[in-house]
Amino acid sequence: DTEVTQTPKHLVMGMTNKKSLKCEQHMGHRAMYWYKQKAKKPPELMFVYSYEKLSINESVPSRFSPECPNSSLLNLHLHALQPEDSALYLCASSQGRDNEQFFGPGTRLTVL
Amino acid sequence: AQRVTQPEKLLSVFKGAPVELKCNYSYSGSPELFWYVQYSRQRLQLLLRHISRESIKGFTADLNKGETSFHLKKPFAQEEDSAMYYCAPVHPNYGGSQGNLIFGKGTKLSVKP
Repeated sequence: DTEVTQTPKHLVMGMTNKKSLKCEQHMGHRAMYWYKQKAKKPPELMFVYSYEKLSINESVPSRFSPECPNSSLLNLHLHALQPEDSALYLCASSQGRDNEQFFGPGTRLTVL
Repeated sequence: AQRVTQPEKLLSVFKGAPVELKCNYSYSGSPELFWYVQYSRQRLQLLLRHISRESIKGFTADLNKGETSFHLKKPFAQEEDSAMYYCAPVHPNYGGSQGNLIFGKGTKLSVKP
């Protein structure tokens, strides 16, 4: 399996909801990433996990909470989001921190 | 500040014409450099990285340390090359952001028939 999978593909949520985005890879990669991509903009790094430990948090608001239950899974828990958080959320993984990153198809999030 | 610049937001060429997508970076040291591509309705994927010195889908990119550039070139563009292209350096020793990809703003390449 050489793909990064993400679920759900689309998510619509209200500002008071709690939801989670999921990401999975079975390539044995030890680094996993969350990015946020707004329309017609490049991906912006949110979080980096290295060997299941959070190593980078790029000043992301606490309403986004990452979790890495094991080396294959990465979650992003969402709570009390704002409409401006609507975006495509991308997950990626890599063998090491300076290796090629493999991206998932993304979850299209809409916050009403 | 360390950054990457892709000066062209949109580049439009005819099929068969040469294409060059520009990328300049301002990093100290020797960053690892990548080009990522996003075709319509497809996931972001690696096109090539400078360390491998490969030609992928006819594209090449040469690192010019003097000009701090990593321009992407192809001698004869094809319609299927139409996509968004991102230049992305990774600096292995950039403090707490070690190994992070920093994407340029991207260049949308449109190849017309």
